[in-house]
Amino acid sequence: DGGITQSPKYLFRKEGQNVTLSCEQNLNHDAMYWYRQDPGQGLRLIYYSQIVNDFQKGDIAEGYSVSREKKESFPLTVTSAQKNPTAFYLCASSVDIFGTGELFFGEGSRLTVL
Amino acid sequence: DQQVKQNSPSLSVQEGRISILNCDYTNSMFDYFLWYKKYPAEGPTFLISISSIKDKNEDGRFTVFLNKSAKHLSLHIVPSQPGDSAVYFCAALGGATNKLIFGTGTLLAVQP
Repeated sequence: DGGITQSPKYLFRKEGQNVTLSCEQNLNHDAMYWYRQDPGQGLRLIYYSQIVNDFQKGDIAEGYSVSREKKESFPLTVTSAQKNPTAFYLCASSVDIFGTGELFFGEGSRLTVL
Repeated sequence: DQQVKQNSPSLSVQEGRISILNCDYTNSMFDYFLWYKKYPAEGPTFLISISSIKDKNEDGRFTVFLNKSAKHLSLHIVPSQPGDSAVYFCAALGGATNKLIFGTGTLLAVQP
């Protein structure tokens, strides 16, 4: 089945630790994205990538880093510099960058900082 | 600066009746408007979209209406079913940044 796989689904982290969220897609899409969802705030764009070895900051990139070494993979690292990392993280992909707005999302990763 | 707003955090509707979800936006340069549906602990799924050159788009039980002069769009679900219970996000694409911007979501509960 084609789709987007995010792992882990649930993750707990101590303050001061970096953590990496995995995102893999087998849809052969060029564009990939990371969004963050917080209660009452909708989805906010963290980083996006139009093509391999290229990525751009979104609206809330501070405290996060990404890489795009392979077309199918776009991992997100939540660093200790992120002030409020507890959230639901969503990875998405699309045929081309934003296109007509139809993105395919993974099931999400919930990060809790203890 | 919230460019896409959903002012109703929640909505409750009886099964079989119409559900109307509303969304307002501030940027007149948006080209496309979309609705996504999200179940708990899952990612959003695309539901329906509309181009800024149209004022209505219909897909089965779902219809999206766009009123450009009022900068307002709405999603109508007729008839509503219990399986429609989810959070609905409106989103807009275009403007200077050409990114997809989401609203805050409306939780729809369809009562049997």
